[in-house]
Amino acid sequence: EAGVAQSPRYKIIEKRQSVAFWCNPISGHATLYWYQQILGQGPKLLIQFQNNGVVDDSQLPKDRFSAERLKGVDSTLKIQPAKLEDSAVYLCASRGQGGAYEQYFGPGTRLTVT
Amino acid sequence: QKEVEQDPGPLSVPEGAIVSLNCTYSNSAFQYFMWYRQYSRKGPELLMYTYSSGNKEDGRFTAQVDKSSKYISLFIRDSQPSDSATYLCAMSYNQAGTALIFGKGTTLSVSS
Repeated sequence: EAGVAQSPRYKIIEKRQSVAFWCNPISGHATLYWYQQILGQGPKLLIQFQNNGVVDDSQLPKDRFSAERLKGVDSTLKIQPAKLEDSAVYLCASRGQGGAYEQYFGPGTRLTVT
Repeated sequence: QKEVEQDPGPLSVPEGAIVSLNCTYSNSAFQYFMWYRQYSRKGPELLMYTYSSGNKEDGRFTAQVDKSSKYISLFIRDSQPSDSATYLCAMSYNQAGTALIFGKGTTLSVSS
């Protein structure tokens, strides 16, 4: 079974630029999560999708972050404009029919904002 | 007060040692308790999960949950250099797929 795929793996941009990350979840997984992991911290939820609907985006900085999940499969997370404090690893996770603990994480995209 | 507290370490032990990793939490509504292992530049991978209080053993790993004290532990017996990683505790309110609340992670180094 293929895992969660993310691209790009690394991205360096200047502040005020825009950036987009892509995630392909495990086939058949209806629930998709985007987490932000700042260096030295645990992952923090940004947004949760169930199929192509948003379940929880309460911690998403909506003035600069946006996310979509078209057709309930792939998802894209965008930041525009980026700030220095957005430097982090952006993790995508997906879950099938299992419990909350059965979240499978991708390798993440490491973003550096200079 | 953060919902989940975890000492970031780093923790360094010799090969073969018993390792104890711990987290405390403040919200008594948490029902599911997980331990994830994260190698450098990789995503977290689930090691173990426990529902409510009690112990769970899987090979060299034992997870303990004490809800009365709001305290969870992960024990690693006969630690190996391959166990060197960051260990994240995570918690969930229910089984319905809500997002996990993570601790900061403890960095473990096992030397041969």
